[in-house]
Amino acid sequence: DTGVSQDPRHKITKRGQNVTFRCDPISEHNRLYWYRQTLGQGPEFLTYFQNEAQLEKSRLLSDRFSAERPKGSFSTLEIQRTEQGDSAMYLCASSLSGGNTGELFFGEGSRLTVL
Amino acid sequence: QKEVEQNSGPLSVPEGAIASLNCTYSDRGSQSFFWYRQYSGKSPELIMFIYSNGDKEDGRFTAQLNKASQYVSLLIRDSQPSDSATYLCAVNIGGGNQGGKLIFGQGTELSVKP
Repeated sequence: DTGVSQDPRHKITKRGQNVTFRCDPISEHNRLYWYRQTLGQGPEFLTYFQNEAQLEKSRLLSDRFSAERPKGSFSTLEIQRTEQGDSAMYLCASSLSGGNTGELFFGEGSRLTVL
Repeated sequence: QKEVEQNSGPLSVPEGAIASLNCTYSDRGSQSFFWYRQYSGKSPELIMFIYSNGDKEDGRFTAQLNKASQYVSLLIRDSQPSDSATYLCAVNIGGGNQGGKLIFGQGTELSVKP
């Protein structure tokens, strides 16, 4: 069990550019979640997948955000035409549906800075 | 009304004291509740989960749940400086114990003074 890994750990970009983050969940976990966290706030839910199906996407999420999990393993989160307000830590987490706790295991996050 | 609410703090307690962290939630259908700890610059890690009304103890930590009042709390006994962190309350929304998503409160920053 290597844990949840995210890449890149840090990304600095200019406003208007596109960025993509990758998440590799714990291998046996079929659920994968994306959260966004800004300083002084708790993680904000963005979207989640069960296997390759995207089950829910936050109503607060702009159309500039898209996530995929094509083969039910790793996932990507793409932000198009970045804005300064997108600057945040993007956290990926995974879990096993039907597991006895519903616990989410988090990666170390990808920090985005939009200049 | 936010789905999960916590006092942001900071909460400051002396070493050896009991720290009490509180959380309220809005969805009466919620069935599972979690406390995560987050050190500065790190990702959240699970401390405790609770499903049933009453108390659940694990070492120095006790989680308390009152579904009628929609209230969850975390007590940390014999607080240590290493407990200084942000504590996040999370509630499973929409799927009972086996599904849905976790919604987090804003977190309470705890500082334990030596």
